[in-house]
Amino acid sequence: GEDVEQSLFLSVREGDSSVINCTYTDSSSTYLYWYKQEPGAGLQLLTYIFSNMDMKQDQRLTVLLNKKDKHLSLRIADTQTGDSAIYFCAERNSGGYQKVTFGTGTKLQVIP
Amino acid sequence: GAGVSQSPSNKVTEKGKDVELRCDPISGHTALYWYRQRLGQGLEFLIYFQGNSAPDKSGLPSDRFSAERTGESVSTLTIQRTQQEDSAVYLCASSPTTGIQETQYFGPGTRLLVL
Repeated sequence: GEDVEQSLFLSVREGDSSVINCTYTDSSSTYLYWYKQEPGAGLQLLTYIFSNMDMKQDQRLTVLLNKKDKHLSLRIADTQTGDSAIYFCAERNSGGYQKVTFGTGTKLQVIP
Repeated sequence: GAGVSQSPSNKVTEKGKDVELRCDPISGHTALYWYRQRLGQGLEFLIYFQGNSAPDKSGLPSDRFSAERTGESVSTLTIQRTQQEDSAVYLCASSPTTGIQETQYFGPGTRLLVL
């Protein structure tokens, strides 16, 4: 079945860039997503990228997709303490719109 | 309401008891999902409702788990004879439409602890 993997933890200093990485196994992925989960809250969609794109930029967020290597990354420029959260990578395959597979999540800690 | 709401926010129960978790989706959202998130793990798909169609129950881990939804409104997830391995955060999400660009709006979750 589909598998999505992320590293569990990342620590950066305020003002630096953060790069959160994700790998997935499903070659038929159509959309890939990044969700943010703040403490005590549900998941919030940050951004998504279609599988025929290489890059998507949205203000401080840059998503890079290497479809050949099945590697997705999220770069947060000028990381702020408010960016501290768990970031989930997710992929949707072409087999069914309800089958979104999430990674384990990467906990981002921003050090002031 | 403005977002997806879930109740209770926290639930502590004894092994063997039944629990019922509630989800209020965003008004007008036809699709509703339940997920389970164990500590340190990703989201595990449980069940999906779309309008009045038969739900996709393929993610339910055992027959102790069941869910209902009336039309496009509230959904309840019931766990019978709870076990300690049921301890997790149960997340509900709703979506305005089906289709390839569908995105999901998540509730804050119900934290279930089975003693």
